[in-house]
Amino acid sequence: AQSVTQLDSQVPVFEEAPVELRCNYSSSVSVYLFWYVQYPNQGLQLLLKYLSGSTLVKGINGFEAEFNKSQTSFHLRKPSVHISDTAEYFCAVSLYSGAGSYQLTFGKGTKLSVIP
Amino acid sequence: DTAVSQTPKYLVTQMGNDKSIKCEQNLGHDTMYWYKQDSKKFLKIMFSYNNKELIINETVPNRFSPKSPDKAHLNLHINSLELGDSAVYFCASSQTPGKLFFGSGTQLSVL
Repeated sequence: AQSVTQLDSQVPVFEEAPVELRCNYSSSVSVYLFWYVQYPNQGLQLLLKYLSGSTLVKGINGFEAEFNKSQTSFHLRKPSVHISDTAEYFCAVSLYSGAGSYQLTFGKGTKLSVIP
Repeated sequence: DTAVSQTPKYLVTQMGNDKSIKCEQNLGHDTMYWYKQDSKKFLKIMFSYNNKELIINETVPNRFSPKSPDKAHLNLHINSLELGDSAVYFCASSQTPGKLFFGSGTQLSVL
């Protein structure tokens, strides 16, 4: 079985400061890894994904994440946050479930609050 | 045009009622999903459909039933609503592994 752990439920950070949102996963097979963002009263949208290849992946809005197989981690980072980055962030793992479909399992989310 | 649209956005109803939430995607994706997000923001997959075939059915009560009239639609029917069904329900679609496009959600409140 696969699972995702987001170590911090809330992360407050001052505007223009760097931020790291932590994510660890467990799976017995190779997985695909994702970060999604949910702005207030909206659905989720994809920030970035790791499927294979380079372990450092870049996403939208200046975010990046690094896949670390030995530590089973996929932490999300941004060097300088903006007020508009205030949102809920979800780490997710995807496993092939057959018939051309992939099951996406989400972590419990980290609420990023950017302080002016 | 909205890629994944679901209606209604808000649904307030009494316990014991039957209700439906509709979802449509215009992306041509093969797979559609229903997720439930509780008050603590935890997301749980309920169903997915691939080419009109149910392929994932998590341990949800059989009061919940997905219905897909065609590839672009996946509706959610809920019978005999209970207080614990109150949540935000998200429809999503995908074509590539893990890359989901979500609707804006339906906030269901059962009184």
